[in-house]
Amino acid sequence: AQSVTQLGSHVSVSEGALVLLRCNYSSSVPPYLFWYVQYPNQGLQLLLKYTTGATLVKGINGFEAEFKKSETSFHLTKPSAHMSDAAEYFCAVSEGQAGTALIFGKGTTLSVSS
Amino acid sequence: DVKVTQSSRYLVKRTGEKVFLECVQDMDHENMFWYRQDPGLGLRLIYFSYDVKMKEKGDIPEGYSVSREKKERFSLILESASTNQTSMYLCASSQGQASHEKLFFGSGTQLSVL
Repeated sequence: AQSVTQLGSHVSVSEGALVLLRCNYSSSVPPYLFWYVQYPNQGLQLLLKYTTGATLVKGINGFEAEFKKSETSFHLTKPSAHMSDAAEYFCAVSEGQAGTALIFGKGTTLSVSS
Repeated sequence: DVKVTQSSRYLVKRTGEKVFLECVQDMDHENMFWYRQDPGLGLRLIYFSYDVKMKEKGDIPEGYSVSREKKERFSLILESASTNQTSMYLCASSQGQASHEKLFFGSGTQLSVL
């Protein structure tokens, strides 16, 4: 069975600092990996996803994530935090097959201070 | 613009009531999903459907049922609402048969069971 672990339910950074949100997964087959973001009082939207090919994936708003099979990780990074990045971030894993669904982690709330 | 519409933003019900949560998508998507979101627990999959009249249990189906009579509509039913079903309910849809496609989320229904 697949699962996702997000390390740290809350992460606080200063504006301009590096953002690092950690995600580790478990999957019995090559996984498909996702990061979704939920801004306050809004629905979830896709930040980026890894399916196959290049292991470094770039997403919207300057975020990127690297798939590391040996570490079973898919950590999300952004070189310089902006106040508007304050949100809840969810890592998710899928086996990609028909008849299966996305499994989400518990989420990490990112706070950005000035 | 793609759209997933949930019928109610806020709903208040009493214990024992039968509750219907409706979700409609206008993108002709094959897959539809119901998640519940609780603080500290992230998104948990209740049920999903990859075709009309088809349904699959997610991780927490107990106390819930679903109906998908038409491709665009996916209903979540709480047969006898209980206080532990107070939660934010999120509907989502995706195209194609594979589960690595992008999910489009509705704005959510905040259900309170008193």
